[in-house]
Amino acid sequence: AQSVTQLDSQVPVFEEAPVELRCNYSSSVSVYLFWYVQYPNQGLQLLLKYLSGSTLVESINGFEAEFNKSQTSFHLRKPSVHISDTAEYFCAVSDRGNQGGKLIFGQGTELSVKP
Amino acid sequence: DTAVSQTPKYLVTQMGNDKSIKCEQNLGHDTMYWYKQDSKKFLKIMFSYNNKELIINETVPNRFSPKSPDKAHLNLHINSLELGDSAVYFCASSQGSKNTEAFFGQGTRLTVV
Repeated sequence: AQSVTQLDSQVPVFEEAPVELRCNYSSSVSVYLFWYVQYPNQGLQLLLKYLSGSTLVESINGFEAEFNKSQTSFHLRKPSVHISDTAEYFCAVSDRGNQGGKLIFGQGTELSVKP
Repeated sequence: DTAVSQTPKYLVTQMGNDKSIKCEQNLGHDTMYWYKQDSKKFLKIMFSYNNKELIINETVPNRFSPKSPDKAHLNLHINSLELGDSAVYFCASSQGSKNTEAFFGQGTRLTVV
C-alpha cells in the first residue's frame, strides 16, 4: 500500500518569492510520482511527473520537483512565484507494477500568492 | 476539444433521489476512473475501468454503480442519494493499466439537500 503526506496544508507567500511545497510518500513498491494543480472550481491538471531517469523534473511554467529515493520525497519548488500560481497543489503516486492505475493523493497544499 | 468532459458540472438534488453523471474522453485511452473529492479537498479513487472491465472498486457503497458502454465513456449512477454523497466527482482517463499520466475532467459538484 502507498500513502502520500503533504507537510503543509497552506503556504502563503509574496509574489516573486521562492516557494517549496513538500511531499513525502510511503510505499513498499516502486512508484511513479506526480504533482497536479487545481485552480479554483476547475479540474486537476498535471504539472509534472517523475517516471524514470533524471531525478529533477521541470514544468513549462517554472516549477521543478526532485525525486529523492532515500528520503522518499518529491518536493515541488519554484524560484519566483506569480499571482497566477495561486491554486491547490496535489502530490500523488501510482504503483509501477500495475494496480489498475490508481493515483494515491496527498491532502493538498493551498498556495496563496499575495502581491 | 475537451479531452475529458463531464456532465453536468453542477447537480443539486434531494436525498433519496437517483442521479447520473456522464463522462466521455476523446483521447483514445483505454482506462477510465472516477475520483471523489470531499469538502476538505481530499481526493480518493472510487473506480477504475480498463477496456470496459472493472479493475478497481475501492469499497464504494453499492448505491454507486459505474457503467462503461465503451472505452470512451464511463458513467456514474448513484441511487438513493445521501447527504454524505455531497462532493465533487472527477472523471479521469489514462492509457494502459500503468498510470503514467492521467487526464482529469472539470468535475461535477454534487450537492444533496
